[in-house]
Amino acid sequence: SQTIHQWPATLVQPVGSPLSLECTVEGTSNPNLYWYRQAAGRGLQLLFYSVGIGQISSEVPQNLSASRPQDRQFILSSKKLLLSDSGFYLCAWSVGSGLTNTEAFFGQGTRLTVV
Amino acid sequence: GENVEQHPSTLSVQEGDSAVIKCTYSDSASNYFPWYKQELGKRPQLIIDIRSNVGEKKDQRIAVTLNKTAKHFSLHITETQPEDSAVYFCAASRYNFNKFYFGSGTKLNVKP
Repeated sequence: SQTIHQWPATLVQPVGSPLSLECTVEGTSNPNLYWYRQAAGRGLQLLFYSVGIGQISSEVPQNLSASRPQDRQFILSSKKLLLSDSGFYLCAWSVGSGLTNTEAFFGQGTRLTVV
Repeated sequence: GENVEQHPSTLSVQEGDSAVIKCTYSDSASNYFPWYKQELGKRPQLIIDIRSNVGEKKDQRIAVTLNKTAKHFSLHITETQPEDSAVYFCAASRYNFNKFYFGSGTKLNVKP
């Protein structure tokens, strides 16, 4: 069966420090991978989307970047965190496209607090 | 990109009553509409979904309806129970792109 691992679960970082959140998927090949951010009491904002190794689509301009060095690994990074980067970050995966696409399966999330 | 709007933002019902959450979408090419439930501090999990070739789908106390012409879809929960209390998100996925755009969420409170 497929599983998704996301770590760390919680993170407190000072303003101006770098960030690296990692997500890996097991049990499937060539998944679509996503990074979402959820601000407190808000909806899920799509940050990045990837259909394959090295293929990253950014949805909104921001202080963050994403990379996909391996088929089932997705990394969210920042060189210098801002207070506004605080939030709940969720990695997700799906397979297929068009009429055969599956739902998105979410990781457990990382609660990031920038202080 | 797609714009998904969700209403209401909060919903309080008495146990046993029905709850309805509504969403609209902007991209007529969207063809897949999942609904997620998120309990406090946890990951969103799929509860029901519907594709554009179907108008209605039901799973026990949960049902979803889709009106492609009007570009809106709704979640219906009957005989609500306290454990239904959570935040519910609708989403739309676009044909051939498979990106999921979410609504802003509805916080459902079921009072015992």
